[in-house]
Amino acid sequence: NAGVTQTPKFQVLKTGQSMTLQCAQDMNHNSMYWYRQDPGMGLRLIYYSASEGTTDKGEVPNGYNVSRLNKREFSLRLESAAPSQTSVYFCASSEPGSLYGYTFGSGTRLTVV
Amino acid sequence: QKEVEQNSGPLSVPEGAIASLNCTYSDRGSQSFFWYRQYSGKSPELIMFIYSNGDKEDGRFTAQLNKASQYVSLLIRDSQPSDSATYLCAPAGGTSYGKLTFGQGTILTVHP
Repeated sequence: NAGVTQTPKFQVLKTGQSMTLQCAQDMNHNSMYWYRQDPGMGLRLIYYSASEGTTDKGEVPNGYNVSRLNKREFSLRLESAAPSQTSVYFCASSEPGSLYGYTFGSGTRLTVV
Repeated sequence: QKEVEQNSGPLSVPEGAIASLNCTYSDRGSQSFFWYRQYSGKSPELIMFIYSNGDKEDGRFTAQLNKASQYVSLLIRDSQPSDSATYLCAPAGGTSYGKLTFGQGTILTVHP
């Protein structure tokens, strides 16, 4: 099915562990995004990639790194997880200027203990 | 001032009533607006796109845009319990071309 695929769906990490969240889209979109969602805080942009080969910081980039591996894939890495990074993470893709906005992945629920 | 402001609610309406959800934004360059619906535990899904002043209707949903007042709203007529969700507003264009900043969302509960 066309869309945005995120893995894993759930993850529990210990403080200080690292992990990579994977995201792939098959919609041929140029732009991809990583957001986190916390209760009462809405969706906050972590990093985005306007096109293949470029990445830029969003509103809350500290503690994260990203890689735009190719046009389809955009990964988010937590090098040393902290409890403050407990959140739901959403990947999205879009074609800027499109009338259809973002297509979101199903999300990753991450708990750091 | 936040870029996008929504009343977080919760907004509770009886089944069959009109639910009115509001959003204000600060970037005067924003040209278009998205409304997303997010069910609990799910990802946001697009329900409405509006890019011109006035109203846009799609079934039971009507989006209203007033660029002079920097205000956009979403009306849901004949509200159903299945409309219970969080509704997110996101201006597009302007200085954030291609990148969406979301309001914190309004939680809507439609009770039978």
